Amino acid sequence: NAGVMQNPRHLVRRRGQEARLRCSPMKGHSHVYWYRQLPEEGLKFMVYLQKENIIDESGMPKERFSAEFPKEGPSILRIQQVVRGDSAAYFCASSSGALNQPQHFGDGTRLSIL
Amino acid sequence: DAKTTQPTSMDCAEGRAANLPCNHSTISGNEYVYWYRQIHSQGPQYIIHGLKNNETNEMASLIITEDRKSSTLILPHATLRDTAVYYCIARGSQGNLIFGKGTKLSVKP
Repeated sequence: NAGVMQNPRHLVRRRGQEARLRCSPMKGHSHVYWYRQLPEEGLKFMVYLQKENIIDESGMPKERFSAEFPKEGPSILRIQQVVRGDSAAYFCASSSGALNQPQHFGDGTRLSIL
Repeated sequence: DAKTTQPTSMDCAEGRAANLPCNHSTISGNEYVYWYRQIHSQGPQYIIHGLKNNETNEMASLIITEDRKSSTLILPHATLRDTAVYYCIARGSQGNLIFGKGTKLSVKP
């Protein structure tokens, strides 16, 4: 039973390019969460999605960042016109959505901006 | 979600039990206590969670005080691979996890 799969594991972009991070939840999970971890800091919540719906995006920067979780396929976190400050580890977690069930995390995507 | 307080760091000898405390004095009745750990730069690993009863699984035990204001995560026989940052999180029914600074546990030979 595969866990949460994130790809790519490492992504290098130049300033101004777009970054697309993908997350496939655990089998049977329909709830996805994205977190960001800056160097030497803790994880910060970004967005919570259920299939085709954004439930909570209170942690998302207002500009350049977007997320989706289509009916078919992985969840995508998209960062447009990347800047140096976007360099971080981006983690995805999934859960079944059942009351109080834990979230399970992937191994993250390390984004580096040149 | 309730705020949690944990010691910044702890040491434990290999083979001994590691007892990691967490204070959550403002926890509300429907909030569970979750424990995760992050080894180096990997993704957080779920360990255990509970509401008011003590819980045990293959990784650890969770002891929650009767008033639910604090809890202790117990790793019964710590190994070098248990060296990690351990996070205690109080969370309601759904929604995001709020990670604090956690406890950096160093298991020493």
